[in-house]
Amino acid sequence: GAGVSQSPSNKVTEKGKDVELRCDPISGHTALYWYRQSLGQGLEFLIYFQGNSAPDKSGLPSDRFSAERTGGSVSTLTIQRTQQEDSAVYLCASSSLSPRSTNYGYTFGSGTRLTVV
Amino acid sequence: QKEVEQDPGPLSVPEGAIVSLNCTYSNSAFQYFMWYRQYSRKGPELLMYTYSSGNKEDGRFTAQVDKSSKYISLFIRDSQPSDSATYLCAAVKVRGGGADGLTFGKGTHLIIQP
Repeated sequence: GAGVSQSPSNKVTEKGKDVELRCDPISGHTALYWYRQSLGQGLEFLIYFQGNSAPDKSGLPSDRFSAERTGGSVSTLTIQRTQQEDSAVYLCASSSLSPRSTNYGYTFGSGTRLTVV
Repeated sequence: QKEVEQDPGPLSVPEGAIVSLNCTYSNSAFQYFMWYRQYSRKGPELLMYTYSSGNKEDGRFTAQVDKSSKYISLFIRDSQPSDSATYLCAAVKVRGGGADGLTFGKGTHLIIQP
C-alpha cells in the first residue's frame, strides 16, 4: 500500500484480556518500529525489527508485551493480561533507508488507540 | 533526565508570526535529528531531517542543529492556522550498519491564532 496501515484503529478491551495489534508496513521497507504514545509522556520506543536480524526488544515495558514480524512484512504486537496503564496509542513506523541517506525518515501509521477498562 | 527534552507548551502565537520550537539533548551519540508534525488522531509525519550542525531550509521551515550546545531548533515563518499541531523533535544514534529507534521529545503543542 501507499502508507503504513494499522488495525484496528480503536480497541476497547477489559482488564485482563489479551489484545493483538497489527501493522502492515510499506512494501519493501526492511525496518519496522513500534512506539507507544501516552498523554504527557511523548513517544516511547518499544521494539525494532530490521530485516532478518534478531529484534531489538529493549523498549518493551514488561513480559506481557511481545511482537513478531512474519516474512519480513506484517507485524503483530501482543499485550497479554492488559492493565489500565496499557491504555495509549500504539504507533507503528517503517523505513527502508539507511540513516546516512539524505531522505532518511520513518513513515508512521495512524496508530491503534487502546483503551483498557 | 530524558535524553531529548522538549517544552510541551502549549505555545500560542498569532497568524503570520515566526515560530521557534526547540529541543535539547544529552547524548553525544545522537547523529541525526528530525522534526515531526502530528495532527490530532494522526501519526507523526516527517517534516525535516538534518545530520550535521547548521541550517536546513524547506519552504517556510528551517531546521537548525548546534551539536556543540546539543540544541535543536525548528523555525516556521509566516505561520498559518494549518500549522497548528504537535511538533516532535527526534534524534537517532547509528551503530554499525543500522540505526537504533528514534528517541523523541515529548512534543510541543503549537496553536496559531487566526
